[in-house]
Amino acid sequence: GIQVEQSPPDLILQEGANSTLRCNFSDSVNNLQWFHQNPWGQLINLFYIPSGTKQNGRLSATTVATERYSLLYISSSQTTDSGVYFCAVDNYGQNFVFGPGTRLSVLP
Amino acid sequence: EPEVTQTPSHQVTQMGQEVILRCVPISNHLYFYWYRQILGQKVEFLVSFYNNEISEKSEIFDDQFSVERPDGSNFTLKIRSTKLEDSAMYFCATIPDSYNEQFFGPGTRLTVL
Repeated sequence: GIQVEQSPPDLILQEGANSTLRCNFSDSVNNLQWFHQNPWGQLINLFYIPSGTKQNGRLSATTVATERYSLLYISSSQTTDSGVYFCAVDNYGQNFVFGPGTRLSVLP
Repeated sequence: EPEVTQTPSHQVTQMGQEVILRCVPISNHLYFYWYRQILGQKVEFLVSFYNNEISEKSEIFDDQFSVERPDGSNFTLKIRSTKLEDSAMYFCATIPDSYNEQFFGPGTRLTVL
């Protein structure tokens, strides 16, 4: 089955810093989503982005499907951005394969 | 904006007991999924459901698990005889049709004692 890797596994930032999270996948995909898991365990959908670039406030994402990776950019990070960020992909099998996540800690 | 809801938010049960986790999908969505996340680990696919039958299941989804849509609205996951290792967060997700964005519910935290 498709493999999903995320890097870095852990990231510690000072408030106000920018960061880039990466997701690599081993096969072509028809769906890719980025999630933020909050301290209560809920999965918050950030982007549905099988290809192209999207922006939502301080967050943006780019997926280059032909090169099998996606990037999540967080600018001017805030303490509320802390948590685990997951990339999940679907390669025409309809169910998602999640990556292992990037744990982000934003320090005040 | 319509959303997927799940009940209960937290369930505590004794080992060997049966539990039923409930999900109310977004109306007019056709595909339904259950995922599991053991504490500190990644989210894993359990089962997908379409047209009142299982369309795909993982090796985790063994005979102690079952899913159904009993009344056309709720989508349930039943664990017949819970084990300690079933303690996890269980997420329901739905999509309107194939190859589309998945909408996740807030999850049910299951604790098996």
